[in-house]
Amino acid sequence: ETGVTQSPTHLIKTRGQQVTLRCSSQSGHNTVSWYQQALGQGPQFIFQYYREEENGRGNFPPRFSGLQFPNYSSELNVNALELDDSALYLCASSPGLVSVNEQFFGPGTRLTVL
Amino acid sequence: EDQVTQSPEALRLQEGESSSLNCSYTVSGLRGLFWYRQDPGKGPEFLFTLYSAGEEKEKERLKATLTKKESFLHITAPKPEDSATYLCAVHLSNTGNQFYFGTGTSLTVIP
Repeated sequence: ETGVTQSPTHLIKTRGQQVTLRCSSQSGHNTVSWYQQALGQGPQFIFQYYREEENGRGNFPPRFSGLQFPNYSSELNVNALELDDSALYLCASSPGLVSVNEQFFGPGTRLTVL
Repeated sequence: EDQVTQSPEALRLQEGESSSLNCSYTVSGLRGLFWYRQDPGKGPEFLFTLYSAGEEKEKERLKATLTKKESFLHITAPKPEDSATYLCAVHLSNTGNQFYFGTGTSLTVIP
């Protein structure tokens, strides 16, 4: 067990809706990263937050946004859901910047967009 | 274009039959290469980080090596519990904090 939790486990939404996914990092971990993993693919980097500031972003549109809170929790928000947003969403935390520290992944949230 | 390619896509081994998984990358400014194991329905589990060509790391039956263009994950005398998808990822220095994952190798070890 990594100590990283995510909620909910599964979620079904319809196209055009908005969704908020939540992640609770390990205590003391200042960095959280979010990934999207489509079926049969590797995770794709969405963005990273370090001490509540965005610290890197992948090739995702602005309708993907995030927040990180002082209590080591974070959120991924997706607006105007599209069918292609159906995927496993993973968060990963690390005690510092990931280049020098390993990431600990949560179990993921499975999002289905109908 | 930066790219991470893993091969083979799938591998079936008999228990005890050693083999290697490959991760090749065409990127510039590599800061680190990571190997993860992912079981079905779970998040990836960290295995190794490699930073420079020539570096090797070992953990139980696994050994990871790195050259300037590729990394290998060697599995010695695998057991059925080693069955999983193995992912590699690269962290680049010239793209902020972007991480690129390969699509993984699905390993099945048959008793």
